[in-house]
Amino acid sequence: NAGVTQTPKFRVLKTGQSMTLLCAQDMNHEYMYWYRQDPGMGLRLIHYSVGEGTTAKGEVPDGYNVSRLKKQNFLLGLESAAPSQTSVYFCASTIGGNPIYYGYTFGSGTRLTVV
Amino acid sequence: GQQVMQIPQYQHVQEGEDFTTYCNSSTTLSNIQWYKQRPGGHPVFLIQLVKSGEVKKQKRLTFQFGEAKKNSSLHITATQTTDVGTYFCAPAAVWNYGGSQGNLIFGKGTKLSVKP
Repeated sequence: NAGVTQTPKFRVLKTGQSMTLLCAQDMNHEYMYWYRQDPGMGLRLIHYSVGEGTTAKGEVPDGYNVSRLKKQNFLLGLESAAPSQTSVYFCASTIGGNPIYYGYTFGSGTRLTVV
Repeated sequence: GQQVMQIPQYQHVQEGEDFTTYCNSSTTLSNIQWYKQRPGGHPVFLIQLVKSGEVKKQKRLTFQFGEAKKNSSLHITATQTTDVGTYFCAPAAVWNYGGSQGNLIFGKGTKLSVKP
């Protein structure tokens, strides 16, 4: 049981380039999330999805787009990378519910550097 | 919107000493979760507290939820080097960011270092 898998694990981009981060979960979770983690800033929510075909903005959505075409996958896109997007990106998933009553399962992260 | 404050931001202890981190919310919470992130790793779910005044234990870790459900604490007894990492509280609110679905709001975490 793989849990939450993120690809790639590391990436270096040049300013202005685009890329897509992939998150895949095999736990049949409804809710999926993308966070970025920067030193001293904790985990900040970028976008999230409460089900296949749905997405919503989080705390810091600017410069990112997402898609959830299949329940098990949640893609995070950077259209035109900027140095300010250098960060560690974590994907997470949970069963669902309002409010959240189940723990999040996190992926191992993607370390992105934009030069 | 809801805000979460976690204190202290950093804590350095000698192995064997106790450690406590506190999480305070500006609003009443439905429940709160705690996570641990080892250096270079990803956050891992530790526990969830739901009831007012609830206390849960996991070996040397004791988690408490305040009577008013606005604060929580994590206490580690006799720290070990394996306790090193950042501890996050994550309260759940019924609303968040204008949406109707629940999300977790993560505190900035308390980074624990343990000197052997």
